[in-house]
Amino acid sequence: NAGVTQTPKFQVLKTGQSMTLQCAQDMNHEYMSWYRQDPGMGLRLIHYSVGAGITDQGEVPNGYNVSRSTTEDFPLRLLSAAPSQTSVYFCASSYSASEGAGEKLFFGSGTQLSVL
Amino acid sequence: KQEVTQIPAALSVPEGENLVLNCSFTDSAIYNLQWFRQDPGKGLTSLLLIQSSQREQTSGRLNASLDKSSGRSTLYIAASQPGDSATYLCAVRVKAAGNKLTFGGGTRVLVKP
Repeated sequence: NAGVTQTPKFQVLKTGQSMTLQCAQDMNHEYMSWYRQDPGMGLRLIHYSVGAGITDQGEVPNGYNVSRSTTEDFPLRLLSAAPSQTSVYFCASSYSASEGAGEKLFFGSGTQLSVL
Repeated sequence: KQEVTQIPAALSVPEGENLVLNCSFTDSAIYNLQWFRQDPGKGLTSLLLIQSSQREQTSGRLNASLDKSSGRSTLYIAASQPGDSATYLCAVRVKAAGNKLTFGGGTRVLVKP
């Protein structure tokens, strides 16, 4: 049971480069999301999706794009990397996207990104 | 805006002692509250989820309580073990923000043998 799989685990970019962080889940979850975790700032929501073809912005969406063409995959794209995007990125999913459904959130193991 | 606070930021206890971790939130209009565990370099693992209509949830040595009116939740870990050493985070799902979770900063726990 793979759960939520993130790749790569580590990445170093130069300022201005672009890249895509991959996230896949095999639990048929409706809801998928991306968080970044920074010291002193905690976990902050970047983007989320309540189903294939539907995405929305979270707390800190600037500089990131997402798409959800399938239920399983939810890639996060950095268009032009900046040092401020140095962080640990987590993908998370839950079975239901309905408000109040109260489903547990399953996290991937994270991607540590450094932008020089 | 919902704010979630966890105090203390770090805690060290001898093995066998009961752990009490606190979480407070400013907006009581929540759908649920989750407690997570995070080991160094790893993702988060959901431990307990309490619906807004519930007062507590239990799983093995873990017990979490919820008092919405006072904006507080407490995670109790009975008879702590060195393997309980980790960072514990709480997060609330707020009614005014769709499916978004707001996380606390976490409490880093060290259980000494």
